[in-house]
Amino acid sequence: AQSVTQLGSHVSVSEGALVLLRCNYSSSVPPYLFWYVQYPNQGLQLLLKYTSAATLVKGINGFEAEFKKSETSFHLTKPSAHMSDAAEYFCAVSRTDSNYQLIWGAGTKLIIKP
Amino acid sequence: GAGVSQSPSNKVTEKGKDVELRCDPISGHTALYWYRQSLGQGLEFLIYFQGNSAPDKSGLPSDRFSAERTGGSVSTLTIQRTQQEDSAVYLCASSLSAGGTQETQYFGPGTRLLVL
Repeated sequence: AQSVTQLGSHVSVSEGALVLLRCNYSSSVPPYLFWYVQYPNQGLQLLLKYTSAATLVKGINGFEAEFKKSETSFHLTKPSAHMSDAAEYFCAVSRTDSNYQLIWGAGTKLIIKP
Repeated sequence: GAGVSQSPSNKVTEKGKDVELRCDPISGHTALYWYRQSLGQGLEFLIYFQGNSAPDKSGLPSDRFSAERTGGSVSTLTIQRTQQEDSAVYLCASSLSAGGTQETQYFGPGTRLLVL
């Protein structure tokens, strides 16, 4: 069965430091991959997505992610963390047996230390 | 522009009572999803509506759960005889069309349900 694994339920970084949130997936065919962000008391919003074009995907707020097929990974990075990045981040992968369902990771809460 | 709205934002109910959760998708969006988000877990798919097609109910956890979408717009998720394990945040999302899983989903703020 397909799965999405986000390493670390909580990640803490200092303001100005590199942000790295890890996502690994399993899929028998090249999938579509997504990162969504959920700010406190708000709905999820799309950060970026990979749809089989460029493997390095740039998103909003300075985030980017690289699709690495050999490693089945789609890690999210940002060079310099800002206090406003504190939120929960979800990785999702398209289901191979559906043309509308996604499989979601458990989420990683990003904590920014001043 | 208006995003996806959900009501109520919070709902506290007693075990055994029925609850109705409402979702107003973005105008013109034909696809609508319901998800359940439990603490420390990812989003659990519940049901999917696309236009006038029969909904995909494969994610509903029991027959106590049902949903409808009237006029291709507003949707209501109903939970009958609520149980404590139903406590969670219920999220609604809409997308522009059935263009495939690469479509961006737009989420509402959710309804936080607590069953005592």
